Amino acid sequence: SAVISQKPSRDICQRGTSLTIQCQVDSQVTMMFWYRQQPGQSLTLIATANQGSEATYESGFVIDKFPISRPNLTFSTLTVSNMSPEDSSIYLCSLEAGNEQFFGPGTRLTVL
Amino acid sequence: AQSVTQPDIHITVSEGASLELRCNYSYGATPYLFWYVQSPGQGLQLLLKYFSGDTLVQGIKGFEAEFKRSQSSFNLRKPSVHWSDAAEYFCAVGTNRDDKIIFGKGTRLHILP
Repeated sequence: SAVISQKPSRDICQRGTSLTIQCQVDSQVTMMFWYRQQPGQSLTLIATANQGSEATYESGFVIDKFPISRPNLTFSTLTVSNMSPEDSSIYLCSLEAGNEQFFGPGTRLTVL
Repeated sequence: AQSVTQPDIHITVSEGASLELRCNYSYGATPYLFWYVQSPGQGLQLLLKYFSGDTLVQGIKGFEAEFKRSQSSFNLRKPSVHWSDAAEYFCAVGTNRDDKIIFGKGTRLHILP
């Protein structure tokens, strides 16, 4: 199994500002994933983050809006830039280990 | 690219009744299939998964799912639901090409006393 922690667990931000979410895992993994879950919606994959290379973004998501860092095999950050109320969501990091997908507890973001 | 459809947005069943939640996937090869549950305000919990082998998969909390290739389906079942099963259920599909998984839109399960 894998233990994933995220910081912050929640935040309330003003529009136009940026927030960086941290994801720490207890084991080394090559790929980490960032998902968004908008209120009442399912999870949508934002991007895949490989250590040592640029993140791969899904359709509808761009690096300028959601820059991702992956400095080592146990850590990643997702920044939500120039926030608007539409960015209010839960953001989750995830990894695959032993043919199972593990999810962090999520960061609940509210943008006013 | 893979995709998954959950045709039922809401399902309501009486406590003690049987349950079946539908899931259809789209992928050219054999998919990896998952069911997750999310209780209100809680994180995601894996109920069960299918990669290969026996097409009837047993999971936690008394759930099972059956992979039917001919129907591109992976429906979730439980013979007798409990009030604590009220939650959002997500079907998800992955592949052996990469480790990312794609989620369906979810089915919210309501339980009548």
